Amino acid sequence: EIVLTQSPGTLSLSPGERATLSCRAGQSVSGDYLAWYQHKPGQAPSLLIYGASTRAAGIPDRVSGRGSGTDFSLTISRLEPEDFAVYYCQQYGSSPQTFGQGTKLEIK
Amino acid sequence: QVQLQESGPGLVKPSETLSLTCVVSGYSISSGYYWGWIRQPPGKGLEWIGSIYHSGSIFYNPSLKSRVTISVDTSKNHFSLRLGSVTAADTAVYYCARRHASGDYFNYWGQGTLVTVSS
Repeated sequence: EIVLTQSPGTLSLSPGERATLSCRAGQSVSGDYLAWYQHKPGQAPSLLIYGASTRAAGIPDRVSGRGSGTDFSLTISRLEPEDFAVYYCQQYGSSPQTFGQGTKLEIK
Repeated sequence: QVQLQESGPGLVKPSETLSLTCVVSGYSISSGYYWGWIRQPPGKGLEWIGSIYHSGSIFYNPSLKSRVTISVDTSKNHFSLRLGSVTAADTAVYYCARRHASGDYFNYWGQGTLVTVSS
């Protein structure tokens, strides 16, 4: 199975700053089939990005994804208070689909 | 608005079977889509358990396949998870979710339910 490694483990930033989260795959992700989720404590995970760069419905354009092959990133420009959460990447190009261990984005 | 809600015992004894149900509202399971189970052990990342189509087509994570059964009941508009021979390593928050139409990722999730394996 494909192992996804997310970095950093924790990212401390202030509202208004720009966040860049990394997701690196142990082998190439077929079709660049990579998704990103936001997860807040006690809530259901929320889909942000699929296909490495396509925003899910209702996701603002300050959230963007990019990358291909083994290296992917999620960028949130102009952080809002509601952006502070844990973010997971998921590859669904190979079975079994797998998730990264998460990056916690916390308020500095 | 599609909503999913997990239910089941919060405590299961080691070696027994964990059973959870996901009730779907706002959408009829028999209309389509794959429906899945994902779990998150305390302090760890997410792990896909398996997914089922309304017609009964099922895919399991090979790491759990020998112990997992996922089923669907379209008459009750719910789907279920059974995980046998549980150990403390199966302690996790269990989520049910609906797969997106375009790929094997999930755009509707339940709130999750914590299942603890302990005697």
